[in-house]
Amino acid sequence: EVQLVQSGAEVKKPGESLKISCKGSGYSFTSYWIGWVRQMPGKGLEYIGIIYPGDSDTRYSPSFQGQVTISADKSLNTAYLQWSSLKASDTAMYYCVRHKEYTDYWGQGTLVTVSS
Amino acid sequence: DIVMTQSPLSLPVTPGEPASISCRSSQSLLHSNGYTYLGWYLQKPGQSPQLLIYLGSNRASGVPDRFSGSGSGTDFTLKISRVEAEDVGVYYCMQALHTPLYTFGPGTRVDIK
Repeated sequence: EVQLVQSGAEVKKPGESLKISCKGSGYSFTSYWIGWVRQMPGKGLEYIGIIYPGDSDTRYSPSFQGQVTISADKSLNTAYLQWSSLKASDTAMYYCVRHKEYTDYWGQGTLVTVSS
Repeated sequence: DIVMTQSPLSLPVTPGEPASISCRSSQSLLHSNGYTYLGWYLQKPGQSPQLLIYLGSNRASGVPDRFSGSGSGTDFTLKISRVEAEDVGVYYCMQALHTPLYTFGPGTRVDIK
């Protein structure tokens, strides 16, 4: 069974750093892209970026380029999304997804709250 | 960047009746390989989105056959032949063809009248 299991909810202050994770299982982790999708409170879905764990090829949506970093450790079957300096506007639910020709499986989501 | 639009944005439905959602992209989603890179997703209240339709018209595993996807090029439709109470939520279309990265439509909220 394909599963994407994300790390737990986080509460951070503005300016702090954060790294959240997504562990894949039940399939060949290096053969599919892993993407990150943001959903701000009460809003729609936005693709942040995507990484191919097989060779670490990474692509970002222009809106998120330079704002976050996506990485993966194929030895751990885990992908990461990180911020070096959080802002209040980063408060959102973040989903990791599996993608090849289409996005199929979704993680359960990680709620990130940034508040002073 | 590709812009995805959906209509309507809100759709009150009656159980047992059909329902239809339209999705349009600002550029064709037809790849040279013959596939159309358009998917439909349903986000039920409090849940992660789930895949309903992939590559334009293929039902994902476990999706009831009352859901169907159609369309080509830039115009697509998701149809529910007979709405059930469990179908409430927000429906999104998503293009997975054009870089730099994929984009979702704004979502259509479906609820029971």
